[in-house]
Amino acid sequence: SAVISQKPSRDICQRGTSLTIQCQVDSQVTMMFWYRQQPGQSLTLIATANQGSEATYESGFVIDKFPISRPNLTFSTLTVSNLSPEDSSIYLCSVGLRQSRGTQYFGPGTRLLVL
Amino acid sequence: KNQVEQSPQSLIILEGKNCTLQCNYTVSPFSNLRWYKQDTGRGPVSLTIMTFSENTKSNGRYTATLDADTKQSSLHITASQLSDSASYICVVSPTDSWGKLQFGAGTQVVVTP
Repeated sequence: SAVISQKPSRDICQRGTSLTIQCQVDSQVTMMFWYRQQPGQSLTLIATANQGSEATYESGFVIDKFPISRPNLTFSTLTVSNLSPEDSSIYLCSVGLRQSRGTQYFGPGTRLLVL
Repeated sequence: KNQVEQSPQSLIILEGKNCTLQCNYTVSPFSNLRWYKQDTGRGPVSLTIMTFSENTKSNGRYTATLDADTKQSSLHITASQLSDSASYICVVSPTDSWGKLQFGAGTQVVVTP
């Protein structure tokens, strides 16, 4: 398995500002993902974070709103830009280990409230 | 339309009792199905994983079943404990890769003393 930490664990932000979430893994992993979990909803994949290149975004998510960096195999950041109340969600980082048959391991999540 | 439907949406059970959660999916092709447990304020943690050829998989007091013909899965919790209070999420993968997972909305389980 993998141990994943996220910072911050929660935050309250004002409309129009941005929040950057950090994801740190205790080992080098091939795949890193960012998800959003809106209240009472299932997880939705935002993007796959690619090491050393631009992230691969899912339909409905764009780089201007959710810029992602992945400078190495153990670290990634997700920024949620120009915040609005609709961005209030839990944001989760996950990783995939090749030896674990595609199972994703999730970080503890970042709970964001936008006022 | 969500390709993974879970029922019930929520349930309350007495400590020590058993319960069964349901997952119906329409995802095709199908590679594997996982059940995750998500405690409040935490990320999901994998409980079981089953491929097309596996009918049942156990992890302690958790037993998952899979009927790939009817595209149904269940998660049975035996002798529930207060620590079982959580959201249980059914996740289906259409391929053997990590991306493109299809998530159910989860069943919120509350175990009361």
